[in-house]
Amino acid sequence: HELTQPPSVSVSPGQTARITCSGDKLGDKYPCWYQQKPGQSPVLVMYQDNKRPSGIPERFSGSKSGNTAALTISGTQAMDEADYYCQAWDISTYVFGTGTKVTVL
Amino acid sequence: EVQLVESGGALIQPGGSLRLSCVASGLTVSSNYMNWVRQAPGKGLEWVSIVFSGGGTSYADSVKGRFTISRDNSDDTLHLQMNSLRVEDTAVYYCARSFCGGVSCYFDYWGQGTLVTVSS
Repeated sequence: HELTQPPSVSVSPGQTARITCSGDKLGDKYPCWYQQKPGQSPVLVMYQDNKRPSGIPERFSGSKSGNTAALTISGTQAMDEADYYCQAWDISTYVFGTGTKVTVL
Repeated sequence: EVQLVESGGALIQPGGSLRLSCVASGLTVSSNYMNWVRQAPGKGLEWVSIVFSGGGTSYADSVKGRFTISRDNSDDTLHLQMNSLRVEDTAVYYCARSFCGGVSCYFDYWGQGTLVTVSS
């Protein structure tokens, strides 16, 4: 199945950025989120809807309503500028979202 | 500390073959779900293949029948044999461990990636 994200989100420093991820079967899944900065490997920032791995700042939070999941960055900082991908798992297959470039203006 | 180090990326002509390797330290490849994920230049992430701890495998439709994932338990190495390569296989290939915690599966450890370029 496909996971659709907005291509880009712009946010001012200190404000809130919200990135959405939509998919037909997402309501039955528990999506996770990755942050990828230029030239670097992806880093897991959220899993199982709303759990943060060790070392991920509290300003990152996750939620889901129906078939749409969201990653929210509260008090966005310049270091949060990156590409973000959602991902879900479906019977031995992993699906990534289309990706969202977050720009901190 | 877990480290995954890929190697084997190269410039290869269409129709050619290439074998990627990923050496793991800090985890035992045979006890984990190990994957290959790729990213074409300027594009998003695409899952390619998995080998489960039990030895079973799964592939993305885009590579099924052309790519083969395997592991060498003796030296904690993951491999990806890529045959009949196409221009659209050009990408950075990442080795990644996926963890399934009950209701979800996610990639928690990633290598630095190795670049495969398919071009004439």
